[in-house]
Amino acid sequence: DAGITQSPRHKVTETGTPVTLRCHQTENHRYMYWYRQDPGHGLRLIHYSYGVKDTDKGEVSDGYSVSRSKTEDFLLTLESATSSQTSVYFCAISEEDSQGTEAFFGQGTRLTVV
Amino acid sequence: SQKIEQNSEALNIQEGKTATLTCNYTNYSPAYLQWYRQDPGRGPVFLLLIRENEKEKRKERLKVTFDTTLKQSLFHITASQPADSATYLCALINQAGTALIFGKGTTLSVSS
Repeated sequence: DAGITQSPRHKVTETGTPVTLRCHQTENHRYMYWYRQDPGHGLRLIHYSYGVKDTDKGEVSDGYSVSRSKTEDFLLTLESATSSQTSVYFCAISEEDSQGTEAFFGQGTRLTVV
Repeated sequence: SQKIEQNSEALNIQEGKTATLTCNYTNYSPAYLQWYRQDPGRGPVFLLLIRENEKEKRKERLKVTFDTTLKQSLFHITASQPADSATYLCALINQAGTALIFGKGTTLSVSS
């Protein structure tokens, strides 16, 4: 299995509080991604990173920010959590390859905002 | 905008039959397409990748086709088994070539 770890695995937080999810990889892959998965919506891209300090928005980036200060860590922050951000969050990594390479996913973080 | 559709939310078949899942896309021309399997409570796991210049790709009991004219990929599992029961996701590289965009998935149930 690819070395990718998400923490925490589960979290319950109150509306309006900041929350940070962490993704850590040991594969030295260039690309890292944050997705959320909700019933009826599938996996939706929040933000991604193509290198240290290089990030870009996905289709559902509002209310989220990210940072990547080291190759191995990609942090997702909810500045002020809302109930609509209750979801399962997945981190993924992939190597750079224009011919296409597979993405490896973490185990997911189940976040509940009450 | 780029759109990916997996036509069926759920597919129920009997053990031993061939399961066929469909993935359609609109408004772009991806260089490649991937299929993933996801089990409950776990992250997706890569199964197969097929490039735009390939018509078909096989791996054991799995077969993927890619028709760039129809903008469609078909994913087949032959001689299906109850252990094949899972959600299968289709994914395409976005137009910028920077991230995978996923379909909503098809949940396959194989009964014995």
